[in-house]
This record gives sequence, C-alpha cells and structure tokens, in this order.
Amino acid sequence: NAGVTQTPKFQVLKTGQSMTLQCAQDMNHEYMSWYRQDPGMGLRLIHYSVGAGITDQGEVPNGYNVSRSTTEDFPLRLLSAAPSQTSVYFCASSKGLAGGANTGELFFGEGSRLTVL
Amino acid sequence: TQLLEQSPQFLSIQEGENLTVYCNSSSVFSSLQWYRQEPGEGPVLLVTVVTGGEVKKLKRLTFQFGDARKDSSLHITAAQPGDTGLYLCAGKEGNMLTFGGGTRLMVKP
Repeated sequence: NAGVTQTPKFQVLKTGQSMTLQCAQDMNHEYMSWYRQDPGMGLRLIHYSVGAGITDQGEVPNGYNVSRSTTEDFPLRLLSAAPSQTSVYFCASSKGLAGGANTGELFFGEGSRLTVL
Repeated sequence: TQLLEQSPQFLSIQEGENLTVYCNSSSVFSSLQWYRQEPGEGPVLLVTVVTGGEVKKLKRLTFQFGDARKDSSLHITAAQPGDTGLYLCAGKEGNMLTFGGGTRLMVKP
C-alpha cells in the first residue's frame, strides 16, 4: 500500500545548490500539492496541481518550481537553495479536493527533511 | 490567502481531563478539516465539516463548525496518552487548503 511516496527523506544542501524532491502517488488522484512545515507555523502551501499539465502557486511559491507531466508524479524543484528553505516538505494528494464545493481528504507522504547550509 | 489561527499553541494535561482547541479566522471557508500529526509522519484526516453549526463526533472527539463558517473547535473528553500529537485545522478556499499553526497536545499518564 504505497499511497504517497516522497524521496529523499533527508537531504543536506549548500547554499546555491539545486535539487528536486520527488513525489509519486498510486491512487489516481487528480489533485497534488506541496507544503512546507516550519516550527510554530503549521503547513504552508507552496504549489498545487489540479491535474496533469496544470499547476498553480500557493502561499509561498518563491524559490520553488513544479511541473505535472503525469497524474502520478509532482516533483518540486529548488533552483538555488537558500538557508530560509530549510524545512520539512510534505507532498499530498486528493481525489476530490479540486473545485469550490468539493471536500476531498488530503493524503500526505512521510515528509522530506531538507537542511540548507 | 485566509489566515487561520489556532489556540492554544501548546497544551499539556493529565489523562482523564477534558480540553478544547480553537481554530479562528476572519473569513469564511467553504469547508474545514481537522488533521492529527504524529512525529515523523504526515498529517492524517480526522474530520471534515461543511455546514455552519455542524457538529460531528468521533468517539471522544467532538468537532464543531461555527454558524458563520469562520471558526471551529475540537473538544476531547477524558483525554488519553494516545491522543498526544499535533492537531491542525485546515480551511478550504477555492482549490487551496490553508492550515493553521497547530496545537501541540501532550497527555500525561
């Protein structure tokens, strides 16, 4: 029962390096999203996608890029890492969240802990 | 983006006590969800409330959505050590789910 799979689980980067956090789901969910979690700040939405080929910005998109070429995958790219991007990143998917009146449950991965030195 | 404020941020109680966690916003949400997160894991959905004034019960947990759909509360009766965790409320606005800062609950045996 894979659900939402994130890789890597841990990563240390130097300032200015680039990397991609991978996210894959096997539940055929059309909605996928990336959040970052910092102490005392809950979860903040970075980017989301309501389907393959469609992405949109969340609350804190600066410094991050995403793409959605398939239903299953939603990678998050850091082009030039900064210490302020040190955080725990969560990918989440949902079957029925997209659309104003819909109330789908978000299924989360286990998180990727990123440290930028 | 609508801001969701949770209170208290931290709560440490003894087993058997009751508690209430609050989630407040100045804006209206189409629906509101409560999640629980344990260390090293992603949040897991507890409940979704949609209608103003709605009350839902999940064993010892009671969730209420405010009449104006701007606020919500989570009440736990006779808390147990297994209730320990981070409780997060999340409000839906369009295609976005916005989370509050969370309430970290510790229940001591």
